[in-house]
Order: sequence, then C-alpha cells, then structure tokens
Amino acid sequence: GIQVEQSPPDLILQEGANSTLRCNFSDSVNNLQWFHQNPWGQLINLFYIPSGTKQNGRLSATTVATERYSLLYISSSQTTDSGVYFCAVAPRRGNEKLTFGTGTRLTIIP
Amino acid sequence: EPEVTQTPSHQVTQMGQEVILRCVPISNHLYFYWYRQILGQKVEFLVSFYNNEISEKSEIFDDQFSVERPDGSNFTLKIRSTKLEDSAMYFCASILDVGEQYFGPGTRLTVT
Repeated sequence: GIQVEQSPPDLILQEGANSTLRCNFSDSVNNLQWFHQNPWGQLINLFYIPSGTKQNGRLSATTVATERYSLLYISSSQTTDSGVYFCAVAPRRGNEKLTFGTGTRLTIIP
Repeated sequence: EPEVTQTPSHQVTQMGQEVILRCVPISNHLYFYWYRQILGQKVEFLVSFYNNEISEKSEIFDDQFSVERPDGSNFTLKIRSTKLEDSAMYFCASILDVGEQYFGPGTRLTVT
C-alpha cells in the first residue's frame, strides 16, 4: 500500500515563530488531508489539498502532486497550535481509505 | 455546517464485554469508515462501508468486529468480546463520493 512519511517527528518552537511540516507519499493520490489532533484527541481537518496551494489565516498548505509531497506552513505560532499534525492520503478514486502518516508533534513554548 | 457525530464520547468496559460504538454520518454521504488510534500511535483504517456492505477491511478488522447501518442515519461498530488491546480512540468518517473525508470527534474506548 501507499507509504506516508512525515518530518520532523518533533518540533519545539518559541511562540511567534514560523514552522514547516512535510509529508512525503509513495504513490499518486487523489485525496490529501492535513489534520490537527487537539489535546482532547479530536482530529480537526485543516486542509483538503490533493494538489495546489490553500491558505486559511495563519496556516497554509502546498501539495506538489508530481513530486509526491505536501507542506504545511504555520506562521506566527501560538500556544494553541501545539499538538500533533497528521497528513493522510488516499490513492486512486479518492473515496478509498485514508492512510495516515505518523505525525509531527509540535510544541509551542510561550 | 453538517458534521459527523459519535456517541458515546468515552466508554469504559470490562474485558470480554460487547460494545457498540455509534456514529451519525453526514446525511447525504455515501461512503462510511471506521478508524482507530491506539494511544500515542498513528490513525489506522479499520473498515469502509458502501451501499450497505463492507467495501474494504484491514487485517485488524477480524471476526470480533462488525459494522452495520441499521437505519438511514446511524452507522455502528460492534466489538463482540473486547480485549485489553482494543483500548483506543475510534473515529467514524464519511464522504459524499470523492473528496474530503469528514471525521467525527471520536469515541475513547477503555477496556479494563
């Protein structure tokens, strides 16, 4: 099946800093989603981005499908950004199961 | 905005007991999924469901697990005889056809 790798596994930053999280995948995808897992364990969908670039406030994401990677940018980090960020992909038709990466744990220090 | 709901939010059960986790997907969605996440690990696919039948299942989804869509709104995951290793967060998701999967808030299952 498709492989998903995320880097870095852990990231500790000062409040106000910018960060870039990376997701590499091993095959063509028709679905790519970025999630933030909050302290209560809920998966908050950040972006549905199988290709192209999207922005939502301080967050933006870019997927380069031909090179099989996606980047999540967080600018001006706040302590509420702390948590685990997951990338998940589905190949083929896009209604297939999502395969998740192992996540990046982001810690923002005040 | 429509959302996927799950009940209960937290369930504690004794080993060997049966549990049913409930989900209400978004009303016009056609594909339904269950995923689980053992504490500290990544989210893993369990099963997908379309047109009232299982379309794909993982090796985790053995005979102890079953899914059902008993009416037009609910989607349930049953674990017949829970084991300690079934303790996890269980997520339900749904999708209209292709595109973004919408996830519920999860049910935390604790097996003692």
